[in-house]
Amino acid sequence: DVKVTQSSRYLVKRTGEKVFLECVQDMDHENMFWYRQDPGLGLRLIYFSYDVKMKEKGDIPEGYSVSREKKERFSLILESASTNQTSMYLCASSFPPLDSSTRPPMGQPQHFGDGTRLSIL
Amino acid sequence: DQQVKQNSPSLSVQEGRISILNCDYTNSMFDYFLWYKKYPAEGPTFLISISSIKDKNEDGRFTVFLNKSAKHLSLHIVPSQPGDSAVYFCAASPKDSNYQLIWGAGTKLIIKP
Repeated sequence: DVKVTQSSRYLVKRTGEKVFLECVQDMDHENMFWYRQDPGLGLRLIYFSYDVKMKEKGDIPEGYSVSREKKERFSLILESASTNQTSMYLCASSFPPLDSSTRPPMGQPQHFGDGTRLSIL
Repeated sequence: DQQVKQNSPSLSVQEGRISILNCDYTNSMFDYFLWYKKYPAEGPTFLISISSIKDKNEDGRFTVFLNKSAKHLSLHIVPSQPGDSAVYFCAASPKDSNYQLIWGAGTKLIIKP
């Protein structure tokens, strides 16, 4: 079974702090993703990575950065936390598609961690 | 502007009956659709998918129907079981982007005993 582990289930930080959210997967997946989930908005992609040291912006990258130094680990960084970054953060991983036109997309299905509920005070 | 809409925030169904969850989309470039299921305090798990070249895909108690002309898809669960109580997310991928997945806001399904 694929295991995606997020380092914290709950986290409380203060405005202006630098916050690190860690994600580790054990299935040798090339693709890794960071989403945030907010009520009424579904999941929104922050950043994704398709290889070590590679990263791409998702739909809402502002205020975030990421790091992928090793294949199994993908870190999300809040450079200077703000209250509007209070949310549920979900990490996911998947195998890559064979080429850009392959279906299913993004090496579906994605395998998700259990999430980190982050509160910024 | 949400490109993938799940207009029912919640749905309550009697155990044993059919549950029908709906999803509408606006982008005609979407060609692959997925349903994920999420329990509280867990991440979403993949349920079933459908390509736009099909209009139906079935997996056990779960069937997804796609109506391209109406830009509408639905997930049918028959028969509904208490363990089906969860939030269901619809997601869509545009054909010109292999990495983009647009998610709906989710529908909370409650199965009553």
